[in-house]
Amino acid sequence: SAVISQKPSRDICQRGTSLTIQCQVDSQVTMMFWYRQQPGQSLTLIATANQGSEATYESGFVIDKFPISRPNLTFSTLTVSNMSPEDSSIYLCSVEDRGREAYNEQFFGPGTRLTVL
Amino acid sequence: RKEVEQDPGPFNVPEGATVAFNCTYSNSASQSFFWYRQDCRKEPKLLMSVYSSGNEDGRFTAQLNRASQYISLLIRDSKLSDSATYLCVVPWRGKLIFGQGTELSVKP
Repeated sequence: SAVISQKPSRDICQRGTSLTIQCQVDSQVTMMFWYRQQPGQSLTLIATANQGSEATYESGFVIDKFPISRPNLTFSTLTVSNMSPEDSSIYLCSVEDRGREAYNEQFFGPGTRLTVL
Repeated sequence: RKEVEQDPGPFNVPEGATVAFNCTYSNSASQSFFWYRQDCRKEPKLLMSVYSSGNEDGRFTAQLNRASQYISLLIRDSKLSDSATYLCVVPWRGKLIFGQGTELSVKP
């Protein structure tokens, strides 16, 4: 499976600032995804990062708050804009890889733990 | 009804026990299913994929009942290292729908 890294691994930020999270994959992948995992909760998909076009956002998430870049097939960034304490979460990127049975499986980066004061 | 629903936890079991987690899903058209394992403060890692009636890998067995829209994960001979949260995941229209997770704690 693909090897995925994220930067930063954690950060503590002030209210009103923005943070850009980077996701790097060691191979070219078509599909990259950004998830949020709030404390004590399961994962929620924020958006699908499409190479060469705008990201596709899930209900409840908007581009102004979570702008995403996908400049090539191995890299993506997620920005958390104008942060508030409610944005404190783990942010994870994932990539889709073809499984044995032709159904694609997703593999996750190590996550970015964000605390907003 | 939630799209993916799991047994509430936590499950506290002794080493060597057999434990089973259940998961129901609402979309009858789903074709593949996954169990992920998430350790505390770590990312989810793929444990098993289920495409047909079931899958077995060592001490882990996943079973699928399409008629009842139900997936289970059975862990035999539990080890301390099996302590984690187990996430039932159903892909749909290019994205993954996660259950809320079931926490397992294996005690000596």
